Amino acid sequence: AQSVTQPDIHITVSEGASLELRCNYSYGATPYLFWYVQSPGQGLQLLLKYFSGDTLVQGIKGFEAEFKRSQSSFNLRKPSVHWSDAAEYFCAVENNAGNMLTFGGGTRLMVKP
Amino acid sequence: EAGVAQSPRYKIIEKRQSVAFWCNPISGHATLYWYQQILGQGPKLLIQFQNNGVVDDSQLPKDRFSAERLKGVDSTLKIQPAKLEDSAVYLCASSLRGRLSTEAFFGQGTRLTVV
Repeated sequence: AQSVTQPDIHITVSEGASLELRCNYSYGATPYLFWYVQSPGQGLQLLLKYFSGDTLVQGIKGFEAEFKRSQSSFNLRKPSVHWSDAAEYFCAVENNAGNMLTFGGGTRLMVKP
Repeated sequence: EAGVAQSPRYKIIEKRQSVAFWCNPISGHATLYWYQQILGQGPKLLIQFQNNGVVDDSQLPKDRFSAERLKGVDSTLKIQPAKLEDSAVYLCASSLRGRLSTEAFFGQGTRLTVV
């Protein structure tokens, strides 16, 4: 069965600092991987996705993520965090049939002024 | 383009009562999903519809939860009777071609509190 682990429940960074959110997955085949963001009271918004090819993927709002098969990881990064980035971030893995998306437990990001 | 609409936004009920949530997907989206998000956890799929047929309901607690999608458009999710552990946000999502993560859109959710 597929699974996703986000080791950090909460992360606090200063505005302007760099950010890295960790994600580890377990899946028997080549994974399809995703990052979603959820602002308070809002639904989930897709930030970026990895299907194949270049292991460094660019997303919206200046985010990027790198797929590392050897480490079973798909960490999310941003070089300079803005206060509006404060939200909850979810990593997810999809099965090859495209009908089961499994989410990690989420990482809540807080941004200090 | 209008997004996925859900109502109500908030609901508080006592245990053993019944509750229903409504979802209106984006026009033309054939696939509709209901997710349960318990506080501090990631969303968990409850049921997936393709048009008005059920594709996957393996994680739906069928003794108390039911869902329907009449005419392949709007959907309702019902809990009867509710338990304390049903307190969660219920998210509805829709997609055009059944691949959730490529072009799915989520509603704002309904926050249910069971007391």
